[in-house]
Amino acid sequence: AQSVTQLGSHVSVSEGALVLLRCNYSSSVPPYLFWYVQYPNQGLQLLLKYTSAATLVKGINGFEAEFKKSETSFHLTKPSAHMSDAAEYFCAVSDIFGQGGKLIFGQGTELSVKP
Amino acid sequence: GAVVSQHPSWVICKSGTSVKIECRSLDFQATTMFWYRQFPKQSLMLMATSNEGSKATYEQGVEKDKFLINHASLTLSTLTVTSAHPEDSSFYICSARAPVQGADTQYFGPGTRLTVL
Repeated sequence: AQSVTQLGSHVSVSEGALVLLRCNYSSSVPPYLFWYVQYPNQGLQLLLKYTSAATLVKGINGFEAEFKKSETSFHLTKPSAHMSDAAEYFCAVSDIFGQGGKLIFGQGTELSVKP
Repeated sequence: GAVVSQHPSWVICKSGTSVKIECRSLDFQATTMFWYRQFPKQSLMLMATSNEGSKATYEQGVEKDKFLINHASLTLSTLTVTSAHPEDSSFYICSARAPVQGADTQYFGPGTRLTVL
């Protein structure tokens, strides 16, 4: 079975500071990993995805994530936070072999950005 | 590309009535669509997987007779909440699976806010 754990339900940073959102996964097969962002009362937007190619994945809006198999982690980072980054972020894992592409989501992390 | 729409974006209905929510992939064909519900300040809970031309696969604990899913074409899936009750009030989100270079990616609709009075 697959699972995702996001450490910290709420993260607060100052504008211009580093953003670090933590995600650890559990999977018995090679995983595909995703980060999605959700703004209030909206659906989810794909930020980036890891698909067993490069371990450092660059996404939209200046975000990137690094897949570390030894640590079973896929943390999301952004060097400099912007006010518009305030949103809910979800990490998700997919098992392409046995689940038909079903996504397992973490609990979500709410990012607040202070001026 | 890979745009998914949902209609309506919000709906208010009386207890006991049925509500239909549409999910469309606008610029790609989706053999598989997924339906989720999300309670305030919580993560997404997968309700069912909808495959074009076949019966939906429901997650454990989801009542198939209450949440009817139809995937009649490669671009449209519908979720009907039958005999809705206040506890069915939630944010319903669909996604469509778009195989891209061997890596399946789900693209999400904007969601439908259902309020049952």
